[in-house]
Amino acid sequence: SQTIHQWPATLVQPVGSPLSLECTVEGTSNPNLYWYRQAAGRGLQLLFYSVGIGQISSEVPQNLSASRPQDRQFILSSKKLLLSDSGFYLCAWRHTSGSNNEQFFGPGTRLTVL
Amino acid sequence: QKEVEQNSGPLSVPEGAIASLNCTYSDRVSQSFFWYRQYSGKSPELIMSIYSNGDKEDGRFTAQLNKASQYVSLLIRDSQPSDSATYLCAVKVDNFNKFYFGSGTKLNVKP
Repeated sequence: SQTIHQWPATLVQPVGSPLSLECTVEGTSNPNLYWYRQAAGRGLQLLFYSVGIGQISSEVPQNLSASRPQDRQFILSSKKLLLSDSGFYLCAWRHTSGSNNEQFFGPGTRLTVL
Repeated sequence: QKEVEQNSGPLSVPEGAIASLNCTYSDRVSQSFFWYRQYSGKSPELIMSIYSNGDKEDGRFTAQLNKASQYVSLLIRDSQPSDSATYLCAVKVDNFNKFYFGSGTKLNVKP
């Protein structure tokens, strides 16, 4: 069965500091990978998605970036955090083979920027 | 612009009642539809997917899809307090890799 991991689970960072969040998927190959952000009491905002190693599609121009150095690894980064970067960061994956379009979420990282 | 609309609620129902959650979407070519449950402070959990018109049942949950009306709903029978959560509707267009989420409906099931 497939499992998706995210770390860290919780993070408190000062404004202007760098960020690196990691997501890994087990039990599948060549998944589509996604980063979402959910502000408090709000819906999901798609930040980035990737259909393969080294391929990143950006949805929202901000001070965030993403990378996919390995098939099942997805990293979200920032060089300098803003207060507005606070939120719940969710990684998700989807099969790319077959007709199953279902998307599954990791446990998330709660980021507070002070 | 693909939009997914949900009533934010809260929707309050008594324990044992049927909860009905609704979602409308703007893109006529959307092909795949999903319902997620999100408990406070947790990540969304997939509970139902539906791809064709009609009803799909899974335990106490029934998803209903009407593509002509661009409408998808989720019925929860015999609602339990543990069903209290925010329910997110999501749609996906075939051959595109993005999912579009509604802002969610908060459901409160009162004992």
